[in-house]
Amino acid sequence: NAGVTQTPKFRVLKTGQSMTLLCAQDMNHEYMYWYRQDPGMGLRLIHYSVGEGTTAKGEVPDGYNVSRLKKQNFLLGLESAAPSQTSVYFCASSYDIASYEQYFGPGTRLTVT
Amino acid sequence: DQQVKQNSPSLSVQEGRISILNCDYTNSMFDYFLWYKKYPAEGPTFLISISSIKDKNEDGRFTVFLNKSAKHLSLHIVPSQPGDSAVYFCAASNSGGYQKVTFGTGTKLQVIP
Repeated sequence: NAGVTQTPKFRVLKTGQSMTLLCAQDMNHEYMYWYRQDPGMGLRLIHYSVGEGTTAKGEVPDGYNVSRLKKQNFLLGLESAAPSQTSVYFCASSYDIASYEQYFGPGTRLTVT
Repeated sequence: DQQVKQNSPSLSVQEGRISILNCDYTNSMFDYFLWYKKYPAEGPTFLISISSIKDKNEDGRFTVFLNKSAKHLSLHIVPSQPGDSAVYFCAASNSGGYQKVTFGTGTKLQVIP
């Protein structure tokens, strides 16, 4: 039981490049989330999904897109990376609306130069 | 607008003593509160939670206190151990609609042996 896994762990991008971060969970959770963590800012919600095929915007969605084609996977895309997107990205999942406890992946450290 | 505030970025405590981490919130709609613990290079992990119908919840060495009138909660760790050294995030949610969780900026706890 791996829990929540994220790929890749580290990535360096040049401004304007694109990439996709992959999150996978094996707990059969309905809800999945993408957060970014920046110094002094805590964890901020980018996008979330309440089930397969559904996605919604969080607090800071600009510059990101997501897809949830399969229940166990949640993808975060950056179409044209900017230095302001340098951050640590965390994926999380939770069982249902009554469960506030979220399970987090280990994070992806992204640097955009 | 930071709805969940952790005003102490860091805290140092001697091993065996009590650690008290504080958190304030501004949104009166929050009715469920959580603490997460995060080690370097790992994702946050759920530690303890409390519903607004309670004013205290205990789990082993960890106790969370909620003062609704002051919109304040605190996490007590007794006795503190070196393995407790981590960043602690306070988080809050409301049970209406989607369970969006708002995180604080974190407090880095160092337990000195």
